[in-house]
Amino acid sequence: QSALTQPASVSGSPGQAITISCTGTRSDIGVSSSVFWYQQHAGKAPKLIIYDVSNRPSGISTRFSASKSGNTASLTISNLQAEDESDYYCSSSTTAHTVVFGGGTKVTVL
Amino acid sequence: EVQLVESGGDLVQPGGSLKLSCAASGSNFGDSFIYWVRQASGKGLEWVGRIKARADNYATKYAESVNGRFTVSRDDAKNTAYLQMDSLRIEDTAVYYCRQWLRKDVFDLWGQGTVVTVSS
Repeated sequence: QSALTQPASVSGSPGQAITISCTGTRSDIGVSSSVFWYQQHAGKAPKLIIYDVSNRPSGISTRFSASKSGNTASLTISNLQAEDESDYYCSSSTTAHTVVFGGGTKVTVL
Repeated sequence: EVQLVESGGDLVQPGGSLKLSCAASGSNFGDSFIYWVRQASGKGLEWVGRIKARADNYATKYAESVNGRFTVSRDDAKNTAYLQMDSLRIEDTAVYYCRQWLRKDVFDLWGQGTVVTVSS
């Protein structure tokens, strides 16, 4: 199972919006409702920010939103803030009942 | 505070074995799915395997890279999950995280990670 494809890095200025893509296949994202997004600060455990494609857990800022179209999922961070600087990972269930992660995207706030 | 605590990480030689533990302090452990995820230094997250809850017959599933070498288990009476790692390879070197997921409550909890180093 190959990893999902994410851009290695995305940057933006404070207040801007950025979007991170996560491309898979018809064997994972294309057929999955279990697409998750995680934020991971350096040296820390991942933190769930989106589950089931577009849902935010309690306590997660509304500046985080996500969607899916075909084999690609997307995470948008609106009104970018300094504390959003982090690594972001997508994951998806697969038709083989496994889970696959994206390679991760480093978000830099300029 | 509800938390997951991994333990058991160590330095081990190639071909050796190691058993990691993941202890939960919450009361919802028995209903939760438990996942193991690893991260090599400077690299991304890699899914290792998972075990479902008793209601799902404790079904397990593994990544191709560890299938046949790693085994996930759990003891709900002790609120603890395990990852038995056999025939370890250098490329298994990573920080290993356990993750507790309970969909009906949108409960997602990760441990702090434990370091496994495979080297001669």
